Amino acid sequence: DVKVTQSSRYLVKRTGEKVFLECVQDMDHENMFWYRQDPGLGLRLIYFSYDVKMKEKGDIPEGYSVSREKKERFSLILESASTNQTSMYLCASSSLKGGGSFYEQYFGPGTRLTVT
Amino acid sequence: LAKTTQPISMDSYEGQEVNITCSHNNIATNDYITWYQQFPSQGPRFIIQGYKTKVTNEVASLFIPADRKSSTLSLPRVSLSDTAVYYCLVGADTGRRALTFGSGTRLQVQP
Repeated sequence: DVKVTQSSRYLVKRTGEKVFLECVQDMDHENMFWYRQDPGLGLRLIYFSYDVKMKEKGDIPEGYSVSREKKERFSLILESASTNQTSMYLCASSSLKGGGSFYEQYFGPGTRLTVT
Repeated sequence: LAKTTQPISMDSYEGQEVNITCSHNNIATNDYITWYQQFPSQGPRFIIQGYKTKVTNEVASLFIPADRKSSTLSLPRVSLSDTAVYYCLVGADTGRRALTFGSGTRLQVQP
């Protein structure tokens, strides 16, 4: 089974802090994604990466950056956390190899971030 | 990017078959249709994916008519544990387009 792990289940940070959310997958997937989920808004894509050191903006990249130095790890960075970034953050991965699909994504458990 | 429309919520009883329809009128030729399930406080889980006609796995069936402008996720004999939010996505593997999950359909299964 594909396993996607996220560094923290719950996180509380103060406004203005730099925040790192880490995601690791163990299935050699080339694609990795960061979403945020807010009540009534569904899941919104922040960034995705289709290869090491490659990234593409999603629907809501403002206020976020990402880093992918190794294939298995995809980091989401909040340069200066703000209260409107309080949310559930979900990481996912997928692969086109072996008959897979870009849209067949495997999600981690999520990190609930609170910015005070 | 193909926009999808789903009912906001549905109710059912244990043992019934549930059909959730997704409308995607501007689906492109290369687009696939993918469905996810999400329980509270968990990440979404891939259920099924299809391109045309019918796809079935151990969890669900996916029915896609010839014009592909809609699709129906069918859950046979639901149980309380099927209470979740179900999302329909449309997109192609080529192009690596951005993904929009939307708000999904909240299915409530009653005993």
